Amino acid sequence: DTGVSQDPRHKITKRGQNVTFRCDPISEHNRLYWYRQTLGQGPEFLTYFQNEAQLEKSRLLSDRFSAERPKGSFSTLEIQRTEQGDSAMYLCASTVPGTSEADTQYFGPGTRLTVL
Amino acid sequence: AQTVTQSQPEMSVQEAETVTLSCTYDTSESNYYLFWYKQPPSRQMILVIRQEAYKQQNATENRFSVNFQKAAKSFSLKISDSQLGDTAMYFCAFDQTGAGSYQLTFGKGTKLSVIP
Repeated sequence: DTGVSQDPRHKITKRGQNVTFRCDPISEHNRLYWYRQTLGQGPEFLTYFQNEAQLEKSRLLSDRFSAERPKGSFSTLEIQRTEQGDSAMYLCASTVPGTSEADTQYFGPGTRLTVL
Repeated sequence: AQTVTQSQPEMSVQEAETVTLSCTYDTSESNYYLFWYKQPPSRQMILVIRQEAYKQQNATENRFSVNFQKAAKSFSLKISDSQLGDTAMYFCAFDQTGAGSYQLTFGKGTKLSVIP
């Protein structure tokens, strides 16, 4: 399968704990996006990377959130000191600019986070 | 800021019938892309159809077609010959190409149920 993959698929944690999610984009897709989707809502943009550079961050990305893409391939999203309001589906997407489908984002299955 | 509005939280359609999902958006830009994504229950989001704003011709993809009215900022999705597998959340999304980041702005979604 050459699609976007995310790990883990589900994460249950207690309030105050740190969690880390991983996203592996489609090979050769140099843009990678993180979105958050709460129940009954559409996804909301969090941040994106062009290769290893984090080029934009949403106001939704508080100081407790940090994202990395150290080698321009996979990315991690860490949430420190989790709060119940962080409970959501975290989606990753990738795309490759400069092609006829540069604007089409391909999504992973998401990581569902539940904070107790 | 761009906004995307889906005014139908839920819809249902009989199998083999046709249904139209509505989407309106707000932007001051002239160059952008519009998408419909499908999110089946507990499954990942997949692209249904995309439309470039500079193209007057409405996009079609098999049983899926759009009615793109640029002046009215309207982008509806028509599903013909509805199938049980079309049951899903459908999200309309906007991509302001000129901003350079290609981040997507989503509507809140329409839950479509196809009834046998």
